[in-house]
Amino acid sequence: AQRVTQPEKLLSVFKGAPVELKCNYSYSGSPELFWYVQYSRQRLQLLLRHISRESIKGFTADLNKGETSFHLKKPFAQEEDSAMYYCALLNNTDKLIFGTGTRLQVFP
Amino acid sequence: DAGVIQSPRHEVTEMGQEVTLRCKPISGHNSLFWYRQTMMRGLELLIYFNNNVPIDDSGMPEDRFSAKMPNASFSTLKIQPSEPRDSAVYFCASSLGGNSPLHFGNGTRLTVT
Repeated sequence: AQRVTQPEKLLSVFKGAPVELKCNYSYSGSPELFWYVQYSRQRLQLLLRHISRESIKGFTADLNKGETSFHLKKPFAQEEDSAMYYCALLNNTDKLIFGTGTRLQVFP
Repeated sequence: DAGVIQSPRHEVTEMGQEVTLRCKPISGHNSLFWYRQTMMRGLELLIYFNNNVPIDDSGMPEDRFSAKMPNASFSTLKIQPSEPRDSAVYFCASSLGGNSPLHFGNGTRLTVT
């Protein structure tokens, strides 16, 4: 089965604390994984993708095929990071499958 | 570019009524997706089109839902008859296809009473 699991619906941290949003996937092929973000009153938008191996707004995500995970991390959270984060997997028919999302709240 | 444009932004209707959601993708994008967002299930893919042709509609909940893409610049998602459990935010997204990132519209918040 092709599935993306985000076990946490809500993650609350204080400003400056490290953040890790968990994402696990189930896919038999070679996965392409993404993180999308939706800030308050804004459109859902791409944050980063694993093939780019980039850091966006201080966030990074490493694909771990052994653990079938693609956790999103940031060493020091900022208040403006508060948003809804979705992990997504692109399958071999170009279908993007999303997880249920994790709401990140960063308190001052 | 105005991005993906969806209308209406909000729709409130009574159970049993027909609802039509509209989407204008970004010009030049050849893939279009309809998603439904709920608290319980997150973002569910309902259907997607490639070059105006429906590729995968396995996510469409039931026969009450239908989607069309008569040309490259317009798509509709219709629910007939609507039910309270259809209440959700419906997103349209477009892309250049393949592994290109999706560009989402602002969504339509549907409330069926």
